Amino acid sequence: SQQGEEDPQALSIQEGENATMNCSYKTSINNLQWYRQNSGRGLVHLILIRSNEREKHSGRLRVTLDTSKKSSSLLITASRAADTASYFCATDTSGSARQLTFGSGTQLTVLP
Amino acid sequence: GAGVSQTPSNKVTEKGKYVELRCDPISGHTALYWYRQSLGQGPEFLIYFQGTGAADDSGLPNDRFFAVRPEGSVSTLKIQRTERGDSAVYLCASSSRQQERAFFGQGTRLTVV
Repeated sequence: SQQGEEDPQALSIQEGENATMNCSYKTSINNLQWYRQNSGRGLVHLILIRSNEREKHSGRLRVTLDTSKKSSSLLITASRAADTASYFCATDTSGSARQLTFGSGTQLTVLP
Repeated sequence: GAGVSQTPSNKVTEKGKYVELRCDPISGHTALYWYRQSLGQGPEFLIYFQGTGAADDSGLPNDRFFAVRPEGSVSTLKIQRTERGDSAVYLCASSSRQQERAFFGQGTRLTVV
């Protein structure tokens, strides 16, 4: 079953704009991770935020986590056409990637 | 190898046939995972190996699905009597024992016709 639900399901923006994707989940977690997927194939790990963290940055990525609301957001700043992909949040209840539970994803399209 | 390798990248099979999907994890990674991703959905957990043993196979949908990892490295996902509903991308991932993130392969796209 899928624990996370991403919102929106699809997002289309112009190059240079910021993109925000949200993820909600249901159970207590050890950490939450964001992955990117191009063309329905391999997943690339973007960033991990632990349950005791509220915000994390990595390059143009900013992730927030609100455990009281069981939600997370991924912000991509100054988007590029190459950022076009599907983005998934994945929750980890074990703390060792034992069984990541993925959401249904947000399809981001960045128009040049 | 440098990353997780999955073969074949694409597999078309007839309904009722048997298929094997192979995963070669990152060298030294003790944990190996199989996920299945249907069109428009996120990956769904199938099975997790720690070393040679299946530590958690709760995601396998039924007894037509089986996976092995006999020497604690390469793993094979086996599907018997394939059905059209088995069509999906099968993803393999690996991680080291204490690692929190998983490294994914490019997946095998299985199409059952």
